[in-house]
Amino acid sequence: GDSVTQMEGPVTLSEEAFLTINCTYTATGYPSLFWYVQYPGEGLQLLLKATKADDKGSNKGFEATYRKETTSFHLEKGSVQVSDSAVYFCALSDLNSNYQLIWGAGTKLIIKP
Amino acid sequence: EAGVVQSPRYKIIEKKQPVAFWCNPISGHNTLYWYLQNLGQGPELLIRYENEEAVDDSQLPKDRFSAERLKGVDSTLKIQPAELGDSAVYLCASSSSGLNNEQFFGPGTRLTVL
Repeated sequence: GDSVTQMEGPVTLSEEAFLTINCTYTATGYPSLFWYVQYPGEGLQLLLKATKADDKGSNKGFEATYRKETTSFHLEKGSVQVSDSAVYFCALSDLNSNYQLIWGAGTKLIIKP
Repeated sequence: EAGVVQSPRYKIIEKKQPVAFWCNPISGHNTLYWYLQNLGQGPELLIRYENEEAVDDSQLPKDRFSAERLKGVDSTLKIQPAELGDSAVYLCASSSSGLNNEQFFGPGTRLTVL
């Protein structure tokens, strides 16, 4: 079945550092890919998404490119801020999952000033 | 516009006691989801409603869990009796009807079973 694997956390960086959180997926179809963010004490929020190969999703300075050849959707940001500290989840949905979200385990990001 | 509302935010009970969680989705959202999220893991779908109909409850442990959405708006998730392993965060989400629409999540209810 479909699955999502993301790098284990926590990831600890200094402010203004470059961020990469790796995400790879297994799917039999052509999934849509998502990054959700969960700030402390808040609900999950959609950060960005991409629906087909080579699409780039972007929001709040974060970017991720749908790479079908490597089955990846890595999250990047050029200069992180303390306010980016949160848990980040990679997810997919496709026909095989009846368009239900299949989630990675989440990666906790800690940004130190 | 108000987001998805859940209550209570926190609940502590002793094992074998019943517990209920309430969710009010975003106005106009016909699809409602209940998820369970264990620490350090992604959410796991428990049940999905389209209006008042449960269209996917295959992951709901029906021996102790039940859910209802009688008027197709608010929903209640119940556990009776609760077990130690039920300690988790219970998330509610809603979306517009149709497949592959963005889900909007509530803040969750953190349940601790002692």
